[in-house]
Amino acid sequence: GAVVSQHPSRVICKSGTSVKIECRSLDFQATTMFWYRQFPKQSLMLMATSNEGSKATYEQGVEKDKFLINHASLTLSTLTVTSAHPEDSSFYICSASDGQPMGPQHFGDGTRLSIL
Amino acid sequence: QKEVEQNSGPLSVPEGAIASLNCTYSDRGSQSFFWYRQYSGKSPELIMSIYSNGDKEDGRFTAQLNKASQYVSLLIRDSQPSDSATYLCAVNDRDDKIIFGKGTRLHILP
Repeated sequence: GAVVSQHPSRVICKSGTSVKIECRSLDFQATTMFWYRQFPKQSLMLMATSNEGSKATYEQGVEKDKFLINHASLTLSTLTVTSAHPEDSSFYICSASDGQPMGPQHFGDGTRLSIL
Repeated sequence: QKEVEQNSGPLSVPEGAIASLNCTYSDRGSQSFFWYRQYSGKSPELIMSIYSNGDKEDGRFTAQLNKASQYVSLLIRDSQPSDSATYLCAVNDRDDKIIFGKGTRLHILP
């Protein structure tokens, strides 16, 4: 149980392109999902918390107009990297809580984004 | 600021030996504790959850929790080369927010 699916797994595109990443909870409803970014050999960095039916909460230093988050249903959150540039190249990972109080987060497989 | 501390490593352990990974946390009100394994280039995978003081065993893995000392550890018995990865300690604080440590790189020597 508690499977999180993330798509696509890999994106290579030109600078200036906007890229959408989907995160789905397959066998549970997720009122809260999380988006992380991880650069090579670095630790996970929480970018934002995605709340179903309301605005996302962004961590300090993360541009909300650059990284658009939509959580329109209990099983889907999307992250759109707008007008991506080479410095946005990174490994983006989503996770979701299955609603169990004080329970763990379950991670998707991640999306490797490469901006040329 | 709430923190979860881990030694970054690398921790090198001979194959077949016991690997011991340690983690401390700052929020005394933390309720639940997790260990994730992350292979290079992959996303984290939950391997252990522990909620009360003492030991919890699952196969070759044992999680140990000491709330008085604000300390949680992971033991891996009969270490295998496939255990080589980064291990993330995560703590769910009193606000039900999970805070991750930066991870310990474990290298099992064949």
